[in-house]
Amino acid sequence: GENVEQHPSTLSVQEGDSAVIKCTYSDSASNYFPWYKQELGKGPQLIIDIRSNVGEKKDQRIAVTLNKTAKHFSLHITETQPEDSAVYFCAASIRRSGGGADGLTFGKGTHLIIQP
Amino acid sequence: GAVVSQHPSRVICKSGTSVKIECRSLDFQATTMFWYRQFPKKSLMLMATSNEGSKATYEQGVEKDKFLINHASLTLSTLTVTSAHPEDSSFYICSARFGGSSGANVLTFGAGSRLTVL
Repeated sequence: GENVEQHPSTLSVQEGDSAVIKCTYSDSASNYFPWYKQELGKGPQLIIDIRSNVGEKKDQRIAVTLNKTAKHFSLHITETQPEDSAVYFCAASIRRSGGGADGLTFGKGTHLIIQP
Repeated sequence: GAVVSQHPSRVICKSGTSVKIECRSLDFQATTMFWYRQFPKKSLMLMATSNEGSKATYEQGVEKDKFLINHASLTLSTLTVTSAHPEDSSFYICSARFGGSSGANVLTFGAGSRLTVL
């Protein structure tokens, strides 16, 4: 089955600086890579996702890059703000041609701390 | 947007009793829902895939008789933890596929249910 590795486990950055979280996956059939933000005591919230037919996607201060050959993808947050502090999870799954997706395999999570 | 509602958000029960957690898709139909388990400061582990009108598909190592899943309608899946023990204490989270107008089929998560077994 799929195995997703995520680094670092904890990341502390100064407010206004950028944060980068990296993930690798093992199953070359995986073609859908979402990133989730989870605040304490809450369920994960999708913040951005990328499919294997593109190499980069950006949404305001958040961007995700994908390298299919190396089987790794990264989350980039620029101009970090205190409200960005949370646990971030990368995930991978296989999206079927019918439109559905298998259950996600998650990385272990990164606790992002934004220092004021 | 898609909303997945979980109930209860917190439950405390005695060892040996059974607990049912509900997962509802509020404004869309979900033929498939997923149940995850999360330990403190750990990642989410997929437990099972719940399919409307058919049996759930369990991940390796997950006891089917322990974690009963029923997906009787297109908007409701339930997880019943039977004969609960302290080691079953965890954060249980469900998710459902949402296609929407774009047909993107993203997975939307509920807020989770924290189970504490005394």
